[in-house]
Amino acid sequence: EDKVVQSPLSLVVHEGDTVTLNCSYEVTNFRSLLWYKQEKKAPTFLFMLTSSGIEKKSGRLSSILDKKELFSILNITATQTGDSAVYLCAVEASGSARQLTFGSGTQLTVLP
Amino acid sequence: KAGVTQTPRYLIKTRGQQVTLSCSPISGHRSVSWYQQTPGQGLQFLFEYFSETQRNKGNFPGRFSGRQFSNSRSEMNVSTLELGDSALYLCASSKRYARDQETQYFGPGTRLLVL
Repeated sequence: EDKVVQSPLSLVVHEGDTVTLNCSYEVTNFRSLLWYKQEKKAPTFLFMLTSSGIEKKSGRLSSILDKKELFSILNITATQTGDSAVYLCAVEASGSARQLTFGSGTQLTVLP
Repeated sequence: KAGVTQTPRYLIKTRGQQVTLSCSPISGHRSVSWYQQTPGQGLQFLFEYFSETQRNKGNFPGRFSGRQFSNSRSEMNVSTLELGDSALYLCASSKRYARDQETQYFGPGTRLLVL
């Protein structure tokens, strides 16, 4: 059974800090790992990491995938209060339908 | 380009009733997946539809069912509601089935409360 474990479960920082969120996974026939940000409602897509793309960056957010050690990190630099959200990590196996297995998420709170 | 839409946004039902939730995918997306999100279990996969066919089903009882129409819109149905069915139900759409590394985009969800 596919499994995703995120850590820490929650994190409180001050604006301007840098945070690193962790995601370890076990999946049969790995296809991709995805990061989503969830505020009040729907998860919004951040990054997809695959065998052919193990590092992604968008503004202050970046993510890497270590396929050998089966983990990924999401890094946020110069955090802002608007970064406060639950960050979800999910994996998808190849050969299956569009089924994501999610971790429990990391609740990030950025204080002014 | 409009995103994934879900209706209704909020719903209150009582135990034993049934409910139908609707999801309209992004235009051009043919795959629709459904997820249940609860504080205790997090986000869990319910099922996925593509070309009007269920392609995969998560570990949920038979009370949970769904279907997809020719225009790719999807509905899910929960019969004989239980208190534990109270959750945020999210649907996600993507362009194609399986092989392509294409992400899924989520709708705003339907918040179901069972009393």
